[in-house]
Amino acid sequence: QVTLKESGPVLVKPTETLTLTCTVSGFSLSNARMGVSWIRQPPGKALEWLAHIFSNDEKSYSTSLKSRLTISKDTSKSQVVLTMTNMDPVDTATYYCARIWSEVTGTTLSNWFDPWGQGTLVTVSS
Amino acid sequence: SYELTQPPSVSVSPGQTARITCSGDALPKQYAYWYQQKPGQAPVLVIYKDSERPSGIPERFSGSSSGTTVTLTISGVQAEDEADYYCQSADSSGPVFGGGTKLTVL
Repeated sequence: QVTLKESGPVLVKPTETLTLTCTVSGFSLSNARMGVSWIRQPPGKALEWLAHIFSNDEKSYSTSLKSRLTISKDTSKSQVVLTMTNMDPVDTATYYCARIWSEVTGTTLSNWFDPWGQGTLVTVSS
Repeated sequence: SYELTQPPSVSVSPGQTARITCSGDALPKQYAYWYQQKPGQAPVLVIYKDSERPSGIPERFSGSSSGTTVTLTISGVQAEDEADYYCQSADSSGPVFGGGTKLTVL
């Protein structure tokens, strides 16, 4: 059974750096077609993709947040870590990690997310 | 930036068919994916590659694609299908989600 679980602080202050950890089980971070992605959802709002990392250490970031994000992995611990700097109240959201699948059909690269972790609510407030 | 447009809400009576659309310029060239999210829960993949159904997802969920619009169809809607539904695709910058559609079962 594949599971992912997020962990990290529930409350951070403005300007602080957020560090979240995703611990996976049931699959390996060394699998070529899979990786781990971070996605967030502000209360009552839509999902927003943040970043992902694959087994070959290929990383990708949201264009709008790229300057604030860093994603890394520790394959031996089955963990993926996301850091987000300079947190602001607008960053208050539930942060999810999810397994990301990657497939190339012709010249088209497809990515999708399955399954997802339960999510962790992070509140940014002084 | 690339956008996927969904109607904010769709309402349907039990047993009827619900159709939720998602529009985007790149959809003719990119697959679409659909996720169901119930209150307080994480999203669950219900359709991948426009029309494929993951194992464990009921047959009443189906997907289709036509031009710049993809559609999630739920046939014989049940009360348990009441949820938010998000489409997802991608552009050159990475994965993109639609704004979500709240399905209400009357």
